[in-house]
Amino acid sequence: QSALTQPASVSGSPGQSITISCTGTTSDVGGYNYVSWYQQHPGKAPKLMIYDVANRPSGVSTRFSGSKSGNTASLTISGLQAEDEADYYCSSYTDSNTSVFGTGTKVTVL
Amino acid sequence: QVQLVESGGGVVQPGRSLRLSCAASGFSFSSYGMHWVRQAPGKGLEWVAVVSYDGSNKYFEDSVKGRFAISRDNSRNTLYLQLNNLRVEDTAVYYCAKDTRGLVTAFDVWGQGTMVTVSS
Repeated sequence: QSALTQPASVSGSPGQSITISCTGTTSDVGGYNYVSWYQQHPGKAPKLMIYDVANRPSGVSTRFSGSKSGNTASLTISGLQAEDEADYYCSSYTDSNTSVFGTGTKVTVL
Repeated sequence: QVQLVESGGGVVQPGRSLRLSCAASGFSFSSYGMHWVRQAPGKGLEWVAVVSYDGSNKYFEDSVKGRFAISRDNSRNTLYLQLNNLRVEDTAVYYCAKDTRGLVTAFDVWGQGTMVTVSS
């Protein structure tokens, strides 16, 4: 199973909005609504930010939103804040009853 | 509170074995699928394996099939990963994670990770 494709880096100024893409195939992202997104700060465990494409767990800021079109899922962070600087990973269920992560995106707040 | 605590990591020679444990607390462990996810130094996340809530279904990432085994003891609220025939490329932090509700949906609780170093 090949990793989902994400941009290596995305940057934005405080207050701006950024979008991270996550491209897979019909065997994973395009075939199921089990896409999730994770935030990871250096030296820390990942944190679930979005599940089932667009749902936010309790406690996650409404500035984070998710969507999907075809084989590509997206995470949008609005009103960018310094604390949002981290690595972000998408993940999807696959038709082999497994999971696959994206390549990861480093978000920099300018 | 909901918590996962991994243990069992260490330094091991190529070809040797290691068993990781993940102790769960604060939730109904026997009701959820459980995963292992790893992260090589400076690299991204890689899903490794999943076991269903009752241990009857298990799935693995291709590179570990036949070498790693996942199991659980619901009476002890503990998840295990048996790592056999270890390779240098298995060097990583290994995280256990709880599935949100099913077998492979999302990972809503993570442990702090345990480091496995495979080196001669």
